[in-house]
Amino acid sequence: DAGVIQSPRHEVTEMGQEVTLRCKPISGHDYLFWYRQTMMRGLELLIYFNNNVPIDDSGMPEDRFSAKMPNASFSTLKIQPSEPRDSAVYFCASSLGDSRGTQYFGPGTRLLVL
Amino acid sequence: SQQGEEDPQALSIQEGENATMNCSYKTSINNLQWYRQNSGRGLVHLILIRSNEREKHSGRLRVTLDTSKKSSSLLITASRAADTASYFCATDSNYQLIWGAGTKLIIKP
Repeated sequence: DAGVIQSPRHEVTEMGQEVTLRCKPISGHDYLFWYRQTMMRGLELLIYFNNNVPIDDSGMPEDRFSAKMPNASFSTLKIQPSEPRDSAVYFCASSLGDSRGTQYFGPGTRLLVL
Repeated sequence: SQQGEEDPQALSIQEGENATMNCSYKTSINNLQWYRQNSGRGLVHLILIRSNEREKHSGRLRVTLDTSKKSSSLLITASRAADTASYFCATDSNYQLIWGAGTKLIIKP
């Protein structure tokens, strides 16, 4: 299996621009997670889906962030408008059968908002 | 505050030595997991230990769990340069994983 795929790997944008991060989970996995990692705050869960349905979005920082999962093989995390404090590495992860089980991470998207 | 907290924050040892990292948590758990993150990469699952287990091995890795002390340790024996990475523990709470801040391990040649 190819593992979790994320794109782009790097994104540099200017404050106020819209940013869209993409994720393809491992085929057959029914859970998908979006995380943000920074030096200051560590690894934070933003939102997770089960069978394409958002289950817990309490970690989404504010209304500027939105996530969708239109089908089992694709999810997006959108930031609009972006701000410098959104600069971080964003990870997508997937798991099978349990939101508390083993998670498989993608390589991450390194976002820099100028 | 985070559920899992690793100790130490950073550890630097010579190649061939053993490395021990600790994780403490606050609430009861069903399982505890350890992950590794190489620089610039995603996290990779290493081992999962259930609350009714006390010790688990995987190759050069040995994990212990003491639920009475709410703590776990990860031992890497005979360390190698390739073990240089950050190591995170994750505990389950409210149907999600709660992550510690990680231990940065450096193996000196």
